[in-house]
Amino acid sequence: DAKTTQPPSMDCAEGRAANLPCNHSTISGNEYVYWYRQIHSQGPQYIIHGLKNNETNEMASLIITEDRKSSTLILPHATLRDTAVYYCISRGSYIPTFGRGTSLIVHP
Amino acid sequence: ETGVTQTPRHLVMGMTNKKSLKCEQHLGHNAMYWYKQSAKKPLELMFVYSLEERVENNSVPSRFSPECPNSSHLFLHLHTLQPEDSALYLCASSHGRGQYEQYFGPGTRLTVT
Repeated sequence: DAKTTQPPSMDCAEGRAANLPCNHSTISGNEYVYWYRQIHSQGPQYIIHGLKNNETNEMASLIITEDRKSSTLILPHATLRDTAVYYCISRGSYIPTFGRGTSLIVHP
Repeated sequence: ETGVTQTPRHLVMGMTNKKSLKCEQHLGHNAMYWYKQSAKKPLELMFVYSLEERVENNSVPSRFSPECPNSSHLFLHLHTLQPEDSALYLCASSHGRGQYEQYFGPGTRLTVT
C-alpha cells in the first residue's frame, strides 16, 4: 500500500464543514483511496472511496487532487456524532493497513 | 447497524480459560476477517477467511485459532491467553477476499486477568 499521512488531530465547530486531509504522494495509478471512521469503542465504519474522480455519498464527499497525491474528506455539516478517528487508506496490497488516522473532535 | 454482529460484547477470562468469540454477517458476503485493536495501537489484521482459503498473519500466536464453518459465521477460539492479549477484537466482512470495502461488527472487548 502507498503510505498515507494524516494530521493526528483536528477540531471543527458543529454545523461547519470538516475538511480532513490525507497525503498519499507515493500512490500508484490503480490504487483507490478509502476512508473509514471509528467512533469511540465501536468498529470502523466504511465511508467512501475513489480513484481519481471526486465522489459524494450520503455521508461525505471525497476530493482527490488531479495528481492523486492527496485527497480531502469533507463532512459538509459536521455534528457532534461525527466525532471519531478518521482513517485514510490507499489500496495497494490485498489487505488494508489502518494507520493512526485523524482524531476529529466536533465541538458545540 | 452494519449487518455484522459479534458476541459477546464484553468478556473477562483468566489465563487458563478457553473461550470463543462469535461473529455473524447478514450481508451475503463471502470473506470474513478478524482484527485486533489494542489500546493506542493501529488496527491489526489477524486472519482472513473465505470459502477458498484461510490466510493467516504469521505473527498471530497459536493460542488464537479461527474457524469458519460457513460464509456467514466466523469464530475465534481462545486458549491460555496472556494479559497483553486484552484488546478490542473486531470482525469484518466483505464481498470477496481482498476487498477494502469492509463492514465491521461492534467488537468484543476482551480482558485477560
